[in-house]
Amino acid sequence: AQKITQTQPGMFVQEKEAVTLDCTYDTSDPSYGLFWYKQPSSGEMIFLIYQGSYDQQNATEGRYSLNFQKARKSANLVISASQLGDSAMYFCAMRARGSTLGRLYFGRGTQLTVWP
Amino acid sequence: DTEVTQTPKHLVMGMTNKKSLKCEQHMGHRAMYWYKQKAKKPPELMFVYSYEKLSINESVPSRFSPECPNSSLLNLHLHALQPEDSALYLCASSQDVVTGSSGNTIYFGEGSWLTVV
Repeated sequence: AQKITQTQPGMFVQEKEAVTLDCTYDTSDPSYGLFWYKQPSSGEMIFLIYQGSYDQQNATEGRYSLNFQKARKSANLVISASQLGDSAMYFCAMRARGSTLGRLYFGRGTQLTVWP
Repeated sequence: DTEVTQTPKHLVMGMTNKKSLKCEQHMGHRAMYWYKQKAKKPPELMFVYSYEKLSINESVPSRFSPECPNSSLLNLHLHALQPEDSALYLCASSQDVVTGSSGNTIYFGEGSWLTVV
């Protein structure tokens, strides 16, 4: 079975500062992918970044980077230079190769608030 | 902008109404999904279509009826819903259902906000 844990229900950060959103996962499958999604209050679920279990380097996409520590089973999202528009719910998710039809497992989410 | 398009954005329906949610993608993806999301919760998988065939039905009540007319379209037909069915309904797609690369990222639409009165 796969499990995603996000222990921070809410996070606050000042504009232009960096913030780290925590995510730990549990799976016995050696092949898996980790995803982060952003969901503003409008509802759209926006894909941010992907990390494969065999990737040697941490993924980066613009201001987003994924701090992947395989031995610790953590996949934290780092947002640099926060902007007011970053205020949203952030979900960590995982798909394992052995999952039924590539089922995506979500954490409970972290509500990020960026203040001026 | 999302490449998964959902209509309508908002829907209010009575418990005796019949309505449909529509989803379209033009990324050539062969897997499409319906998720239901309640406030402050993660999305919950409802249905998975792979190559236009229903592959997963997560014990969803029969008042929700999915349909995949072709590889680009996915509908969710609604009939005799209950107020507790009010939620955000998200459509999503991916290259296929096989896991293993970023190419199989699941992309979501903007969602349809459903209110049952």
